[in-house]
Amino acid sequence: EDQVTQSPEALRLQEGESSSLNCSYTVSGLRGLFWYRQDPGKGPEFLFTLYSAGEEKEKERLKATLTKKESFLHITAPKPEDSATYLCAVQVVGGSEKLVFGKGTKLTVNP
Amino acid sequence: NAGVTQTPKFRILKIGQSMTLQCTQDMNHNYMYWYRQDPGMGLKLIYYSVGAGITDKGEVPNGYNVSRSTTEDFPLRLELAAPSQTSVYFCASSWDSYEQYFGPGTRLTVT
Repeated sequence: EDQVTQSPEALRLQEGESSSLNCSYTVSGLRGLFWYRQDPGKGPEFLFTLYSAGEEKEKERLKATLTKKESFLHITAPKPEDSATYLCAVQVVGGSEKLVFGKGTKLTVNP
Repeated sequence: NAGVTQTPKFRILKIGQSMTLQCTQDMNHNYMYWYRQDPGMGLKLIYYSVGAGITDKGEVPNGYNVSRSTTEDFPLRLELAAPSQTSVYFCASSWDSYEQYFGPGTRLTVT
């Protein structure tokens, strides 16, 4: 069964304290791995797509990386406005169009 | 460009009632999706559509129905509402089944 596990469930950082969120996956064949940001009471907002091991993408203070078993979302010098829940999802080869989502990591950045 | 819009934002239903959740996108996307998000759980796919007139079941389709008569609209119908359908419902769309763009959600309570 295709599975996505995110860790930690919750993370508290001080402003400027860099860290990483983890997304490990078990799938029969990876078509793509996606990172989303979700603010309270809102829909997920697309951040990145990664397709193959070794790929990296960056956006402002966020950098996503991908290996054959996991992805990391690195947050460099975070600010309070980076506080949100970060969701990881995978799309499986031959798995129709569905995304399999992890439960998310709730990030809180204190000023 | 409004993106993906959903109505209503909130709704309370009594057990056994029916309702339709509306979803509209103005990006001319072929693919549209319905997810539900329960507290502490990942998003689960209910139904999806790859184009007007074509729909298919996701992970958790029981108790729901969909139709897709136009590219823009993808309504979700709940028949005989049950407490287990209390959730937040998100509609999403994508051009090529990769990057999905989500609406703001409908928070549904069944009592």
